[in-house]
Amino acid sequence: AQKITQTQPGMFVQEKEAVTLDCTYDTSDQSYGLFWYKQPSSGEMIFLIYQGSYDEQNATEGRYSLNFQKARKSANLVISASQLGDSAMYFCAMSANAGGTSYGKLTFGQGTILTVHP
Amino acid sequence: NAGVTQTPKFRILKIGQSMTLQCTQDMNHNYMYWYRQDPGMGLKLIYYSVGAGITDKGEVPNGYNVSRSTTEDFPLRLELAAPSQTSVYFCASSYSTGGVSNIQYFGAGTRLSVL
Repeated sequence: AQKITQTQPGMFVQEKEAVTLDCTYDTSDQSYGLFWYKQPSSGEMIFLIYQGSYDEQNATEGRYSLNFQKARKSANLVISASQLGDSAMYFCAMSANAGGTSYGKLTFGQGTILTVHP
Repeated sequence: NAGVTQTPKFRILKIGQSMTLQCTQDMNHNYMYWYRQDPGMGLKLIYYSVGAGITDKGEVPNGYNVSRSTTEDFPLRLELAAPSQTSVYFCASSYSTGGVSNIQYFGAGTRLSVL
């Protein structure tokens, strides 16, 4: 079974500063994918970034980057130059090939609420 | 540019009533999923489907049923609603060839209260 742990219930950051949201994962599978989603107060789930377990480079998407440390089983999200619109709940999630085909099923963490102060 | 469409957006049910949450996608995705999100928590998988006519249980399937007769539609049926089913329900879809990298796209959610 897979498990995602997000230990920061809430984080605060000043506008234009960078912030790191922590995510650790547990799986015995060699092939897995790590995802970050953003959930604004309006409630929708927005895909941000993806990292594959075999990817050698850390994923980047605009102001988002994923700090992937395989040995530590961590996949932290880094948001650079924070904006007021970044205030939201952020979820880390994982999909793994549990001995076969994963069918893309996602296991989510409990989320981190990010508040950006002006 | 609809993506994944869920209806209704809000619903209040009485204990013991039944209802169907509708989900349709126009991206020709083969995989579809239903998740529930309880207050302050992450999402948990209820059911998923890898194609028309093929469905399987997720982590929390009790009290729910699904069917998938077309690629586009994946309705979720609640039978005999209970207060424990008060939650926000999300439908998602993705295109997959069986790996772990398929990105799921979510609908806007259905907020359900059972009283």
